Order: sequence, then C-alpha cells, then structure tokens
Amino acid sequence: GQNIDQPTEMTATEGAIVQINCTYQTSGFNGLFWYQQHAGEAPTFLSYNVLDGLEEKGRFSSFLSRSKGYSYLLLKELQMKDSASYLCAVRESGGYQKVTFGTGTKLQVIP
Amino acid sequence: EAGVTQFPSHSVIEKGQTVTLRCDPISGHDNLYWYRRVMGKEIKFLLHFVKESKQDESGMPNNRFLAERTGGTYSTLKVQPAELEDSGVYFCATAIRGAGANVLTFGAGSRLTVL
Repeated sequence: GQNIDQPTEMTATEGAIVQINCTYQTSGFNGLFWYQQHAGEAPTFLSYNVLDGLEEKGRFSSFLSRSKGYSYLLLKELQMKDSASYLCAVRESGGYQKVTFGTGTKLQVIP
Repeated sequence: EAGVTQFPSHSVIEKGQTVTLRCDPISGHDNLYWYRRVMGKEIKFLLHFVKESKQDESGMPNNRFLAERTGGTYSTLKVQPAELEDSGVYFCATAIRGAGANVLTFGAGSRLTVL
C-alpha cells in the first residue's frame, strides 16, 4: 500500500519562492509525479521523478530522494495564477503500476 | 489532439437513483483509470483498465459501482443505486502503454451530487 503526506495549505507572496514537500511510504516505488489542479479543473501534469535528484522545468523544479521517501516541488517567481492545489502522486512498481495521490497542497499566492 | 472527455460535467440525482458517467480517452491510450475526489479528501483510485481488461479494481467502494470498457475505447462508470456518500468528482485519466513516464492525462471530471 501507499501513504502520501503533504501540507494541506500554504500561502506565499507574489514573486517569492515556495517549496511544497511530499513524503511517501510505499511497498514498491516506480516514480513520483506532481500535478497542478486549479479549482474546478482537471489536474495537469507538472513533473516526473524516478531517479534521485533535481528536475528543473522553467519556474518549477522537483526533487526526489528515494532513500528518504521524500520529494519537493519548488516554485520560483510566484505569480498569482500559481494559486492552485499541488498534488503529489506515487506510482507503484509491478504489473499494475497504480498511481496513488496525496490529498494535495492548496497554495494561495498573495500580492 | 482531443483530450480526455468526460460527461456529464455535473449530475444531480436523488438517493436510490442510477447514474452513468462516461469517459472518452485520448485515441491510442490503452490505460484508463477512474478516480474519485470527495470534498476535502485525496483523489482516490477506483480502478484501472488496460484496453478492455480490468487490471486492478481494488479501489471500487462496493458492488453498487460497475465500470465497463467494451471494445477498449470509451468507458462507463455506473452507480446503482446511488447513496449520499457517493457525491464527489469522478475523474477519468488515460495514458499510453509502455515504458517511460506514462503520464496520466485527466479529464475535467464529472461532478456527482446525490441528494
């Protein structure tokens, strides 16, 4: 089974940097995803990590440490439109490769 | 290319009634998943199809829920009879098959309200 923890809510200021943490416990690991979900919309893919280290994509970066069961999503130069829920999701290894989501972190960007 | 399409976008029914939700995947996406988000809780896995075969239905809450994917194209999720606790947003997500990131592409969701 899987257990994924992330903070429920965060607030950050426009232009600043924010780090959203995710810890997980899983019986078999085959990748970690970050998704962004604006209210009333579909989750959209942000990043994927399967090896340890940092993946950078524009203003967004995602880090993974498999030995610690830990990931974070780093958002730089925050914009108002970044206000959304950020979902951490872990894919199991093995035949089914089920993807399990955390509860999500609701980020509010304030002026 | 067209994305994942779900309908209805919102359904309001009374307890005891039946509702059928539909998901049209991106063409060529063999993997199809159903998820549900109840207010304030995580997006919870319901089941996974590979083409027309159910690979994993461990997340289906009970036998009031029936999912099908005849022909391996679109999928339906039927709730019969609906209960109050079935209210939530039902998401469909699809992915190509094979190695790699296998990124899930989500539909906009079907919001179900059971009164």
